Amino acid sequence: EAQVTQNPRYLITVTGKKLTVTCSQNMNHEYMSWYRQDPGLGLRQIYYSMNVEVTDKGDVPEGYKVSRKEKRNFPLILESPSPNQTSLYFCASSLSGRPNVAQYFGPGTRLLVL
Amino acid sequence: SQQGEEDPQALSIQEGENATMNCSYKTSINNLQWYRQNSGRGLVHLILIRSNEREKHSGRLRVTLDTSKKSSSLLITASRAADTASYFCAPSYFQGAQKLVFGQGTRLTINP
Repeated sequence: EAQVTQNPRYLITVTGKKLTVTCSQNMNHEYMSWYRQDPGLGLRQIYYSMNVEVTDKGDVPEGYKVSRKEKRNFPLILESPSPNQTSLYFCASSLSGRPNVAQYFGPGTRLLVL
Repeated sequence: SQQGEEDPQALSIQEGENATMNCSYKTSINNLQWYRQNSGRGLVHLILIRSNEREKHSGRLRVTLDTSKKSSSLLITASRAADTASYFCAPSYFQGAQKLVFGQGTRLTINP
């Protein structure tokens, strides 16, 4: 089944404890992206990747890192999480970063930083 | 802001009725996409309408786009309980890569 998977789905952590949220897609998509969703703010893009080893900042990249060493994986790294990073995170992928292409979203990771 | 703004923020109708939600945006777009999000879950792509298209259908969904007014509408006909969800419009711009900018969404509730 074609899908985007994220792990973990739920995570409670404490301020400053490094964490990684994994994202994997099995559709051979070139483009991958991370979003966060907060009440009243909608979905905002954190980072995106056009292809392996090509990443770029989205609208809210501060406090996050990403890497794209393999086409299928696009982990989101929080080196030193803070409470303002408590959010619902979504990974998405699409065939390419060109226009007129739909994005496929993962199920989300709900993160609470204490 | 480049994001789309959905209207209304919330909509509650009876099963079987039609639901219409609107989206407005501020600058020229490549395309506009609609997504659905069931409670606490990931977004599901519904339909994409290109900037040179005026109307598009997919099953019970009908999307219109008026680039002169910078607005789009999503019509769901013969609504079902399973249509209860939040619906987001995402104007798409090209800035080196396709950039979707999501609004706050319309929360649709279908009452049995």
